[in-house]
Amino acid sequence: EAQVTQNPRYLITVTGKKLTVTCSQNMNHEYMSWYRQDPGLGLRQIYYSMNVEVTDKGDVPEGYKVSRKEKRNFPLILESPSPNQTSLYFCASSFLQGGYGYTFGSGTRLTVV
Amino acid sequence: AQSVTQPDIHITVSEGASLELRCNYSYGATPYLFWYVQSPGQGLQLLLKYFSGDTLVQGIKGFEAEFKRSQSSFNLRKPSVHWSDAAEYFCAVGDSGGYNKLIFGAGTRLAVHP
Repeated sequence: EAQVTQNPRYLITVTGKKLTVTCSQNMNHEYMSWYRQDPGLGLRQIYYSMNVEVTDKGDVPEGYKVSRKEKRNFPLILESPSPNQTSLYFCASSFLQGGYGYTFGSGTRLTVV
Repeated sequence: AQSVTQPDIHITVSEGASLELRCNYSYGATPYLFWYVQSPGQGLQLLLKYFSGDTLVQGIKGFEAEFKRSQSSFNLRKPSVHWSDAAEYFCAVGDSGGYNKLIFGAGTRLAVHP
């Protein structure tokens, strides 16, 4: 089954404790992206990647890192989480050429206390 | 810069009534346009998309949307709403001239009364 898999689904952590949210896709998509969803703000792009070893900032990259060492994986790293990073996070993937839309993961609900 | 506006934050309809969710976009050329639905606790699922050609597009779950270039709109419609349609709906615009980056609207939350 074609899918984007995120882990974990739920995470509660403390301020400053490094964490990684994993994302993996099995569709051979070049393009992968991380979004955060906050009430009233919709989805905002954090980082994206157009292929292996090619990543760039989205609209709200502060406090986040990513890597793309393999085509299928695109982990999101929070080196020192803060409470304002409490949010619902989605990973998405697609073909690079425009117009295909995204396949989304099921989301990760992160709470930083 | 591209942008998407969904003017209605919340909409409530009765089951069986018709539905129209509004979406306005800002983009210089003909955009790619999408509607996604997010059920409670779920990820986003693609309802339908517009690239070119027929301006009335059909999607899954009985939804349709109409692209109106003159109004920069891509409104989502359904003739008869079911209780299971209660969800949050997102309109998105993509760059037809480049790679597949999507800009999303803030979403419209739909409630359905029995």
